[in-house]
Amino acid sequence: GAVVSQHPSWVICKSGTSVKIECRSLDFQATTMFWYRQFPKQSLMLMATSNEGSKATYEQGVEKDKFLINHASLTLSTLTVTSAHPEDSSFYICSAHFGSVGYTFGSGTRLTVV
Amino acid sequence: AQTVTQSQPEMSVQEAETVTLSCTYDTSESDYYLFWYKQPPSRQMILVIRQEAYKQQNATENRFSVNFQKAAKSFSLKISDSQLGDAAMYFCAYRGWDDKIIFGKGTRLHILP
Repeated sequence: GAVVSQHPSWVICKSGTSVKIECRSLDFQATTMFWYRQFPKQSLMLMATSNEGSKATYEQGVEKDKFLINHASLTLSTLTVTSAHPEDSSFYICSAHFGSVGYTFGSGTRLTVV
Repeated sequence: AQTVTQSQPEMSVQEAETVTLSCTYDTSESDYYLFWYKQPPSRQMILVIRQEAYKQQNATENRFSVNFQKAAKSFSLKISDSQLGDAAMYFCAYRGWDDKIIFGKGTRLHILP
């Protein structure tokens, strides 16, 4: 149980275009979703927290206009990287919070901006 | 703000031997959770073990156990009978009142056959 499906697994896009990453909770309702970014051989950096039906809360230093997060339903949260540039290339991971202390992670999305 | 520190970027252990990964953290909260996550080459995050701060007993999951020293803010992971499949990146993580999980920088564990 408690599976999060993240798509796409990898994406290549041209500089200046937007890319959407989806995370779906398959067998539970995810009231809270966390979005992380991971650079090669580095740790996961928390970008933002999204709660169903409300605006996302961004961590300090994260551009909210570049990384748009939508959590319109209890089973779907999306991260849109707008006007992507090569420096946005990274590995993005979502994590859904369930129960009192349950967390399940998506399989990640490798974004390459060319 | 809470911080998690892993001072060992890489470690190696002989297959079947025991290895301990170190982690320290800083917080002003009294109630929190600590985790160890494994990230294999697939990059899927896998929960290894979890410890609740108010529980004095150290958590154990099969070959994995922790040494939780609350006063020292230390949370080390011991892997017994190391196996080739244990090779991965290991992250120590902290969760406080706001449900956010904060990760350390990780320790890459190599298993030597």
